[in-house]
Order: sequence, then C-alpha cells, then structure tokens
Amino acid sequence: QKEVEQNSGPLSVPEGAIASLNCTYSDRVSQSFFWYRQYSGKSPELIMSIYSNGDKEDGRFTAQLNKASQYVSLLIRDSQPSDSATYLCAVGLTGNQFYFGTGTSLTVIP
Amino acid sequence: DTGVSQNPRHKITKRGQNVTFRCDPISEHNRLYWYRQTLGQGPEFLTYFQNEAQLEKSRLLSDRFSAERPKGSFSTLEIQRTEQGDSAMYLCASSLPPRPLSYGYTFGSGTRLTVV
Repeated sequence: QKEVEQNSGPLSVPEGAIASLNCTYSDRVSQSFFWYRQYSGKSPELIMSIYSNGDKEDGRFTAQLNKASQYVSLLIRDSQPSDSATYLCAVGLTGNQFYFGTGTSLTVIP
Repeated sequence: DTGVSQNPRHKITKRGQNVTFRCDPISEHNRLYWYRQTLGQGPEFLTYFQNEAQLEKSRLLSDRFSAERPKGSFSTLEIQRTEQGDSAMYLCASSLPPRPLSYGYTFGSGTRLTVV
C-alpha cells in the first residue's frame, strides 16, 4: 500500500469555482502535511502546510486535516486559470523525508 | 538569499555515460536533500545530509549513485553508467533543523536528466 494516495485526475473546474483536491495517507504517526503546486516542467512549490486537525486558510487556499480518517484536502476558492497545475500532497513522518503522492492534475477552464 | 540553486538545468547523456549534478543550498541551511521525480510520479527521497555527513540513503540509491557534500556546503550527485531508467528530474532541497517537519522543503529548480 502506498503511503500517500491521490486521485490523479484530471480534475476540471470552471473559472471562479471551488476546486477540491483530496489525499489519504496510511501511516497514523504522520506528523505534518503539505500541499505543493507543480507547473509542467517546473519543480514543486510549497503552498500550504497543516499539522493539526481542522482547517487552515491562506488566501484562496484552505487545507483541511482529519487525522482520525487519515485524510487531508486542499480547497481552492475562486479558481483561476493560473491555478492549472499538478497538486502534490506530501506527508512527513518522523525524521527528515517526506512521502509524496503522485499528484492531481487540475485544469481551470476560462 | 537566492534560494536553492541546481546545475545544470538539463542534461542529455548517452546510456553508459557518467553524469554529475550540483546543488547549492540556501547559505545558512545545514540540511540538504536529494529527491528524484519521474514522469507522472511524485518526488521520491534519495538521500539526506546534515552538514557533510550523509545520514540517510534510500534503497532507490543504487551502487551507481553517489552523493557528496564536502565541507557541508554544496552537494553533488553522480550517476555512473547511466541507464534509460535514470531519466528523471533530480530535485534538491535544503532546510534548517528542525524545520523539515515544521515548514516543509523549498526545492531548487531541478536538473532534468534524459538518457538516450
């Protein structure tokens, strides 16, 4: 079983809509959770981090964490064409390495 | 602070050749990480340095791969006798302790390797 699982998509939403991206993880001792955005041909860019159950908001982005369900999500409000990218979920256990999902491809249609 | 710098950005090599990549971390960061990302996959951990000491190595890091960080500054990743399966984006990141779990990584721009 993979440590981090994401629906690969593609997910398409119209401009201005809410995009919802989901991620599940297998290890209950996971401590920290991150969302990265990756444009085609570029390296991943950190956009959100969350450590405690509940919601964390940053501008148009909201990360949600439910440790009991081993589930983390990212909501993007008022989606823009510039949000079209692959979104990677990353999970940190103890130690120094992160486990990444395979990413969800998002397309925002103008 | 110019961020994490990686060179070269792109490398095309023939199968069987050796290649070396360089990573310059953010200057005050003593932790440095190498990851590999193949098409359609998320980044996978390769190895981690604290200062000049290589403290963790993934089983993905076969005998053909070697990483160094002399003097705890820049790092190099060498692949010997390259194979087509080595074609990937090689990503470097750096951090201060205990930052990784708290703040995540900032990746460099990556080196894209194509083995033909």
